[in-house]
Amino acid sequence: AQSVTQPDIHITVSEGASLELRCNYSYGATPYLFWYVQSPGQGLQLLLKYFSGDTLVQGIKGFEAEFKRSQSSFNLRKPSVHWSDAAEYFCAVARDDKIIFGKGTRLHILP
Amino acid sequence: GAVVSQHPSWVICKSGTSVKIECRSLDFQATTMFWYRQFPKQSLMLMATSNEGSKATYEQGVEKDKFLINHASLTLSTLTVTSAHPEDSSFYICSARDLLAAYGYTFGSGTRLTVV
Repeated sequence: AQSVTQPDIHITVSEGASLELRCNYSYGATPYLFWYVQSPGQGLQLLLKYFSGDTLVQGIKGFEAEFKRSQSSFNLRKPSVHWSDAAEYFCAVARDDKIIFGKGTRLHILP
Repeated sequence: GAVVSQHPSWVICKSGTSVKIECRSLDFQATTMFWYRQFPKQSLMLMATSNEGSKATYEQGVEKDKFLINHASLTLSTLTVTSAHPEDSSFYICSARDLLAAYGYTFGSGTRLTVV
């Protein structure tokens, strides 16, 4: 069963505009959720993670994510994107002590 | 912070040969490591879970004899692609879990394997 769904394969935003990447999960009452970023040909960098507590999580590079149990969502946001944010973004969930990834969203930035 | 070193970063090999990829946790002990495979423009698919001192646990559909995993120490896991074929060409990424950090999974920088 699909644990993590990222409905948007590609997202294009203008530099300086706000960003929201969607993620829905379908595993566990209290999931452990992650957002990772991957530049072309590179490994993964952890942006932020949620285990419990405050549902608004602050991460690196100005990113934040909000856990909404009622919507089974963990959307990633950034108020103003920079050209260097162009990359692949993966939402992930910890399931049976393993990290399971969504299919990813490719972020394109318009100058 | 926790660092995972993966080597080599890229490798080209001839069809029929074997290739070994190393994954090392540099500043923490990792009793569990994970191996992922990523096709171009696709997500990471978990191949297997590597446990120190025991046999690896493979995900459904992953050939155990094709992808040999060894986790002989608390800081090193290796993935050997045996009798490689062009369809094995892919990006392989390892991850190590730091048990001292709450769900502290750290990823290596990946290995690009090209089989010609």
